[in-house]
Amino acid sequence: KAGVTQTPRYLIKTRGQQVTLSCSPISGHRSVSWYQQTPGQGLQFLFEYFSETQRNKGNFPGRFSGRQFSNSRSEMNVSTLELGDSALYLCASSLVPDSANYGYTFGSGTRLTVV
Amino acid sequence: GNSVTQMEGPVTLSEEAFLTINCTYTATGYPSLFWYVQYPGEGLQLLLKATKADDKGSNKGFEATYRKETTSFHLEKGSVQVSDSAVYFCALTPSGNNNDMRFGAGTRLTVKP
Repeated sequence: KAGVTQTPRYLIKTRGQQVTLSCSPISGHRSVSWYQQTPGQGLQFLFEYFSETQRNKGNFPGRFSGRQFSNSRSEMNVSTLELGDSALYLCASSLVPDSANYGYTFGSGTRLTVV
Repeated sequence: GNSVTQMEGPVTLSEEAFLTINCTYTATGYPSLFWYVQYPGEGLQLLLKATKADDKGSNKGFEATYRKETTSFHLEKGSVQVSDSAVYFCALTPSGNNNDMRFGAGTRLTVKP
């Protein structure tokens, strides 16, 4: 079956703009989590969605938001982009919000560069 | 709070050498522990996991044992190959809250022929 699909793979934006990233989980997976990966901070948890509801949120400013649709696809949005938002954004899906038994399956990520 | 500390890299080994990447954790209760691998330009792939003390996770020749007494989950492989070159992440999910996976900083492994 298809893996976790993230689009686009690469994105270049200007400071002050906004951006929307998309994630399609593995078919049947209903939980989607987002992570930001940077060389300085490593992998940091952004938020997690299940059944169209945000269940958990990391320590990021309100400029970072997300949503999940009824087909489990998820989007995350970053408004008023800053240079420090340049990162690899990874989406992870799991069958249910219980990664202890299954672990996450990650997408290849979206590389966002803010100039 | 819950956190993972893993040995800093980079680690450079010759093919067929023995690999150990240390990982220790801080968490209350009984977290689940994971090793993920990230190849260049790709996302993270689950390598192995252990969900309770003394469990041993294994996959593709890699092993790690959940040691509650030393709060450790060291990754080992008896004979590495060039294709094992990647970044390895140790991670945990706290007990009772499986949605907030915490990752270590990652250890870059380079295997030379």
